[in-house]
Amino acid sequence: QVQLVQSGAAVRKPGASLRVSCKASGYTFTDYYIHWVRLAPGQGLEWLGRVFPRDAGIHYPQKFQGRVTMTGDTSTSTVYMDLAHLTSEDTALYFCLRERDGGYFDYWGQGTLVTVS
Amino acid sequence: QTVVTQEPSLTVSPGGTVTLTCASSAGAVTSSFYANWFQQKPGQAPRTLIYTTSQKHSWTPDRFSGSLLGGKAALTLSGVQPEDEAEYYCLLYSGHTWVFGGGTKLTVL
Repeated sequence: QVQLVQSGAAVRKPGASLRVSCKASGYTFTDYYIHWVRLAPGQGLEWLGRVFPRDAGIHYPQKFQGRVTMTGDTSTSTVYMDLAHLTSEDTALYFCLRERDGGYFDYWGQGTLVTVS
Repeated sequence: QTVVTQEPSLTVSPGGTVTLTCASSAGAVTSSFYANWFQQKPGQAPRTLIYTTSQKHSWTPDRFSGSLLGGKAALTLSGVQPEDEAEYYCLLYSGHTWVFGGGTKLTVL
C-alpha cells in the first residue's frame, strides 16, 4: 500500500534552517511528483512547491524562491524539503503529498510539526 | 500571483445539501485548472476527496461530488452527515504552480 512517512517534529531558532524528509513506499517512486504543503496556526493550507524525482524537476511559488529547496533521492525513495532563514511565521505543520502528472493528487504524509522559537 | 477564493464558512443541516465554490482571479475555472478538493479535520492530515474537477478516489463517500459551476469549481455534499464538519480546501493549477483557496469551514448544525 502507498505510504508517505515524514520525519519527526523539529524545533529551530529564528535564522536557522530546516530539513524535513518524506519516505515513499508502495509505488514506483519516480512516476509521481511530491509536493510540500504547510498549515500554520489559524491559517489555511499553503503550497510550498513540488519535485519530480525522476529528473529532479522543481517548481516553487515566487514567495519561497531562494529560501526553499526540494530534492529527491531515488536510492532511498525519499524526498527532502529544506527551508532556510526561518522565522516564527514558519511555525506550522508540514505535509508531503503525492501527485501523478495532470493533477491527480491522492496520498498525504502524516505531517511534521515545526516550531520556530 | 493568482488568488483563489472560497466561502469562509457555510452551515448546513444534517441530511441537507450544500455547495462549496472555488474561484480564480485568473478568470473562469475550467478543466485545465485541474481542481482538487481536500477535507481537513483538526489533528489530522488532509484527505483528498476529488481530483481533476470531478473524479473521486476509492475512499471518497458517494455523497461528495465535484463539478464546474458558473465559472468556478464546486464541491457538492448531498445528504450531509455530522462527520462532514471540517475545513475544505480547493487547489488550482496556475502555470507550473498550484494555489490553495483560503478554505471553507463547514458546520453541520
